[in-house]
Amino acid sequence: ELKVEQNPLFLSMQEGKNYTIYCNYSTTSDRLYWYRQDPGKSLESLFVLLSNGAVKQEGRLMASLDTKARLSTLHITAAVHDLSATYFCAVDLESGSEKLVFGKGTKLTVNP
Amino acid sequence: NAGVMQNPRHLVRRRGQEARLRCSPMKGHSHVYWYRQLPEEGLKFMVYLQKENIIDESGMPKERFSAEFPKEGPSILRIQQVVRGDSAAYFCASSPSDPNRNTIYFGEGSWLTVV
Repeated sequence: ELKVEQNPLFLSMQEGKNYTIYCNYSTTSDRLYWYRQDPGKSLESLFVLLSNGAVKQEGRLMASLDTKARLSTLHITAAVHDLSATYFCAVDLESGSEKLVFGKGTKLTVNP
Repeated sequence: NAGVMQNPRHLVRRRGQEARLRCSPMKGHSHVYWYRQLPEEGLKFMVYLQKENIIDESGMPKERFSAEFPKEGPSILRIQQVVRGDSAAYFCASSPSDPNRNTIYFGEGSWLTVV
């Protein structure tokens, strides 16, 4: 059974600081996704990582994938309040199926 | 180009009633997925459908839950005789038939509250 573990589950940080969220998964997978969710809202797709060593950046967020270590990271640079949300990683359970297994999420609070 | 449309957005049901949640996929998408999100949890896969076919229902509870995606009209997730534990957000997602697209789009969700 594929398991996806995120840590930390809760993260409170000051504006301007850097931090990393980690996502470990237990079996081989072709694709890893990062999503953002605001309270009471749907999921906003942030990144899709397809290959070992993939790195993608959008604004203050950067995601990377190490398929050998079964690890993805979401790095936050110089956090701002608007980044406060819950961040989920998800792994494709079966190649091409879009059947995703999600982590429990990391609730990020950025304090002024 | 409308995204994945779900309705109702919010639904309140008493224990024992039925809940019907609808999902219209993005235009041109033939694959539909239903996920459930319990409070403070990540999403959990329930079922994967294509038009008139259930492809994978391994995440569906064995009783009271059913899903369909008819030839015409939206996909429907039906929960019979709801219980308090069914209270959750139910998300529908769709993807195109091309497996190389690597893209899945989520709807806004339907929040079910059982009282």
